[in-house]
Amino acid sequence: SQKIEQNSEALNIQEGKTATLTCNYTNYSPAYLQWYRQDPGRGPVFLLLIRENEKEKRKERLKVTFDTTLKQSLFHITASQPADSATYLCALPFQKLVFGTGTRLLVSP
Amino acid sequence: EPEVTQTPSHQVTQMGQEVILRCVPISNHLYFYWYRQILGQKVEFLVSFYNNEISEKSEIFDDQFSVERPDGSNFTLKIRSTKLEDSAMYFCASSRIGGSQWGANTEAFFGQGTRLTVV
Repeated sequence: SQKIEQNSEALNIQEGKTATLTCNYTNYSPAYLQWYRQDPGRGPVFLLLIRENEKEKRKERLKVTFDTTLKQSLFHITASQPADSATYLCALPFQKLVFGTGTRLLVSP
Repeated sequence: EPEVTQTPSHQVTQMGQEVILRCVPISNHLYFYWYRQILGQKVEFLVSFYNNEISEKSEIFDDQFSVERPDGSNFTLKIRSTKLEDSAMYFCASSRIGGSQWGANTEAFFGQGTRLTVV
C-alpha cells in the first residue's frame, strides 16, 4: 500500500536560517504533491502544489522540489522567522488527499 | 476570502450519545471531505462526498458514521453512538475539483475543526 513518510522529530533552527523538510513516499507515482501548514488546534492550510514535471516551485520564501526518481519532495523555508513555527504536512492525491505525519518546525529568535 | 466554517468549535458528549458536526463548505466547491486528527497523531481521511453521495470512505468510517448534505450549503457528519476513541479534532474540507481530476487548483480548504470530547 502507499506510504508517506515525514521526519517525525521536530526540526529546531535559528531565525534567519533555511529550514529543509523531507517527504518520502513509496508504492505510488503521484502526478502532484501538495504541502500544507498546520498550527496547533487549527486546520491545515494549503501552501504549494508541485506537479511531477516540475522540478522546483517557489512562492516567496518557500521552495519545493519534487524528485520522482527518488520519490521525494523537499520543502525549504529560507530566511526563517519565528512565525514560521508550525507543523508542515505533505499530501498526496490518492483520489483524496492523504497526509504524511507532518514535521514540526521550531524557529528560535 | 471564502472559508469553510464548522460548528460547534468544541463538543463534549457522553459515550453512547449521537453527535452531529456541521460544516458549511465554500460555495462553488463540489467535493467535500471529513478528516479527523487524534491528539498528537496525523490527519486521517474519513470520507469524501461528491454529487450527493459518498465517493470514498476509509476503514475508520464504519456504520456508526454517516454524512449528509441536507441542503445546498450544509455538510454534516453524524456519529450515532460515540465511543471514547472517537475523541479527536474533526476537520471538514472542500475542494473545487477532486477525485480522478486531482491536480492543479485542487487544493483542499479546511475548516477550523470541531474538537469532540467523549466522556
